[in-house]
Parts: sequence; structure tokens; C-alpha cells
Amino acid sequence: QKEVEQDPGPLSVPEGAIVSLNCTYSNSAFQYFMWYRQYSRKGPELLMYTYSSGNKEDGRFTAQVDKSSKYISLFIRDSQPSDSATYLCATTDSWGKLQFGAGTQVVVTP
Amino acid sequence: GAVVSQHPSWVICKSGTSVKIECRSLDFQATTMFWYRQFPKQSLMLMATSNEGSKATYEQGVEKDKFLINHASLTLSTLTVTSAHPEDSSFYICSAGPGGQGNEQFFGPGTRLTVL
Repeated sequence: QKEVEQDPGPLSVPEGAIVSLNCTYSNSAFQYFMWYRQYSRKGPELLMYTYSSGNKEDGRFTAQVDKSSKYISLFIRDSQPSDSATYLCATTDSWGKLQFGAGTQVVVTP
Repeated sequence: GAVVSQHPSWVICKSGTSVKIECRSLDFQATTMFWYRQFPKQSLMLMATSNEGSKATYEQGVEKDKFLINHASLTLSTLTVTSAHPEDSSFYICSAGPGGQGNEQFFGPGTRLTVL
């Protein structure tokens, strides 16, 4: 079993809709949670970085962490075609290497 | 956010030759950098952890003699693919973080290697 599970999609939504992405993880030692966006043939770009359970908002992006259920989410409001990309969740313990989900391909259709 | 650069962005080489890829942290120092490999439509696979001033730590199944890593300074790590073969063709990406607890990581733009 992978340490971080993520549905690879693809997830197709119409422009303006809310994109909802999620991951589950198995190791309770994981304390830091990240969401990356990766366009084709590019390196991942850090979107959100959270530590504690709860919500973190940055513009159209909201990250949620529920440590009790080991569940992390990313919501994208008012989605745009430019949001079409692969979204990767990642987590780590205090000092360790990142554990990535498989990545979810998102397609926002005009 | 912090900026990580990679050079070259794209390289084509003949089978049997060696290729060096550079990873630089531009606005912060990084005692640790990470090297990943990514195949099309797959997630990132960690190859090794590059430690400044000491030997790299390789993940299981990664040949240390084939993928040589040198972390010469706090802003530069290099990955050399030695005696490259077509199966080494892939997208190689490095990451680095400014350090501290939490290990926030920023990724370089990646290097696409094609071995003919």
C-alpha cells in the first residue's frame, strides 16, 4: 500500500466550477502537507503548504487537512482553463523526504 | 517562493556518453537537495538525497555508480548520468528547500534527457 493515495483522474470540470481534489495518507507521523501544480513538461510548483489541521486559503485555493482521518483536500474556486494541470499532494514528517500522491490530472473546459 | 534552477532544460545524447545536470538554489542556501525522475503520466520517483559536503543517499533500486551526485556547495548539486542508455531517457527534476523543520521544497523546471 502506498503511503499517500490519490485518484489519478482525469477530472474534467466546466470553467467556473469548483475543483475538489483529495488525498489520504497512512502514516500518522506526517505533519507537513503540500499541494503542487505541474504543467506538462515542467517542474512542480508549490501551491499550498500547511502544517496543522484546518483550512488555509490563498486566493482561489483552499487547502484542508484533517489529521484525525488522515485526509487532505484542495479546492479551486472559479476554475479557469489555465488551471488545467496535474495536481500532486505531498506530505512529510519533520525532516524527511516528501511522499507524493500519484497526481490528479485536472481539465477545465471553457 | 524560493527559486530553483536547472541546466540544461533539454539534452539529447548518444548511448554510452555521460550527461551532467545542474541544480541551483538561486536565493537561498540548501544543505539538502533531492533528485527525482518522472516518466510520462506518472508521479515523481525519488532517486536520491544530495547532502552538501557528504555522500548522497540513494533510494532502493537506484544505481549509485550510474547516477553520480555531487553537492559541491550550498547552492549547487549535480547529477551525472554515466554511460547513458535509451532506458535512462526521462524527465529529471531536482528540489531544494531553505531548510528548517517541515522541509518545504521548491522544484526546478526539470531536465528532459533523451538518449539515442
